[in-house]
Amino acid sequence: GQQLNQSPQSMFIQEGEDVSMNCTSSSIFNTWLWYKQDPGEGPVLLIALYKAGELTSNGRLTAQFGITRKDSFLNISASIPSDVGIYFCAGLADYGGSQGNLIFGKGTKLSVKP
Amino acid sequence: NAGVTQTPKFQVLKTGQSMTLQCAQDMNHEYMSWYRQDPGMGLRLIHYSVGAGITDQGEVPNGYNVSRSTTEDFPLRLLSAAPSQTSVYFCASSYGFAGPYEQYFGPGTRLTVT
Repeated sequence: GQQLNQSPQSMFIQEGEDVSMNCTSSSIFNTWLWYKQDPGEGPVLLIALYKAGELTSNGRLTAQFGITRKDSFLNISASIPSDVGIYFCAGLADYGGSQGNLIFGKGTKLSVKP
Repeated sequence: NAGVTQTPKFQVLKTGQSMTLQCAQDMNHEYMSWYRQDPGMGLRLIHYSVGAGITDQGEVPNGYNVSRSTTEDFPLRLLSAAPSQTSVYFCASSYGFAGPYEQYFGPGTRLTVT
């Protein structure tokens, strides 16, 4: 089946640093979504991308839909302590007009540097 | 709008017991789905529904049943609980065929099977 490879698996941040993470797939997707999950909560949608090459921002977050349609990137600028959590990418393939199912990456866990 | 609600928030079952996890949404979404989240495994799709009266299996359907009698509700039934079903369960919904395809998640149900 389709799989998404999300990297890095985990990373430590210091306040003020920029953070980057990405997802890659061997399959083409028509939609990329980025979610953040805080401990004990459900994932919350951060950014949705619908076109190859699209670059979309949400505050300090910027995400891009790769031109090959097989990857996506999320950047967080000037990180703050509340950015810690798990970030998931999710991709949706085109099933000829029907609602396909999202495929999720395994997540990138952001923690604060000790 | 309450969004997606799930009950209960926590549940402990003994092996062999059955129970129903409740999910409801008030956004008039056609598409609803159930995921389980296990450490290091990301989110895996159990069952989904593209509208009232229509359900289908996801990646890990064994041991679970669903039905969709109304647009708002999508309960997940565990037929005979097993320790392997210890997990966090999330319900999600989205608009469906016509898009947009962003899924919105409930707060989760933490299930322990002893």
